Amino acid sequence: KAGVTQTPRYLIKTRGQQVTLSCSPISGHRSVSWYQQTPGQGLQFLFEYFSETQRNKGNFPGRFSGRQFSNSRSEMNVSTLELGDSALYLCASSLRTGWTNYGYTFGSGTRLTVV
Amino acid sequence: LAKTTQPISMDSYEGQEVNITCSHNNIATNDYITWYQQFPSQGPRFIIQGYKTKVTNEVASLFIPADRKSSTLSLPRVSLSDTAVYYCLVVAPGQNFVFGPGTRLSVLP
Repeated sequence: KAGVTQTPRYLIKTRGQQVTLSCSPISGHRSVSWYQQTPGQGLQFLFEYFSETQRNKGNFPGRFSGRQFSNSRSEMNVSTLELGDSALYLCASSLRTGWTNYGYTFGSGTRLTVV
Repeated sequence: LAKTTQPISMDSYEGQEVNITCSHNNIATNDYITWYQQFPSQGPRFIIQGYKTKVTNEVASLFIPADRKSSTLSLPRVSLSDTAVYYCLVVAPGQNFVFGPGTRLSVLP
């Protein structure tokens, strides 16, 4: 079966711009969680969406937002980009909210570079 | 704060067995122990998970003592391609992961 698909794979943006990243979960999975990975801070939880509702949110500024569509695909948006937003953005999907012992699968990520 | 403590780095040689121990002194009754592997610029990949005793799959074994305050991931006969960061995660159903820095395993020829 198809895995978690993130697009685009790489992205370069200019400081001050905004960006939208996409995540398509495994078929049948209704939860999508987003993480940011930087060399300095490691992997940090951004937020989770389940059935089109934000269920949980990490400690990130309001410039980071997301949404989920009825087909469970999710988008993450970052406005007014800063150099520090350069990171690998990962999403993970699961059947139910959060982690389940039936599977929690990550995509390959989107590498965002802000210049 | 991550719920786990594991070595920051480890070195091994090809063909050896590697054991990575993780401490999780405050593990809760509902928590499971799960391990993920991550290569550079890729998402973490599931290796193994367990609740207690021993779990084995085609790539690894997970040993969990009765008190569940620690666990050991065992990788038999590692190869160069096993060079990666390994994350030990303690999580209950419905929660989201809290990642620590993981263990950077370097397999040398």
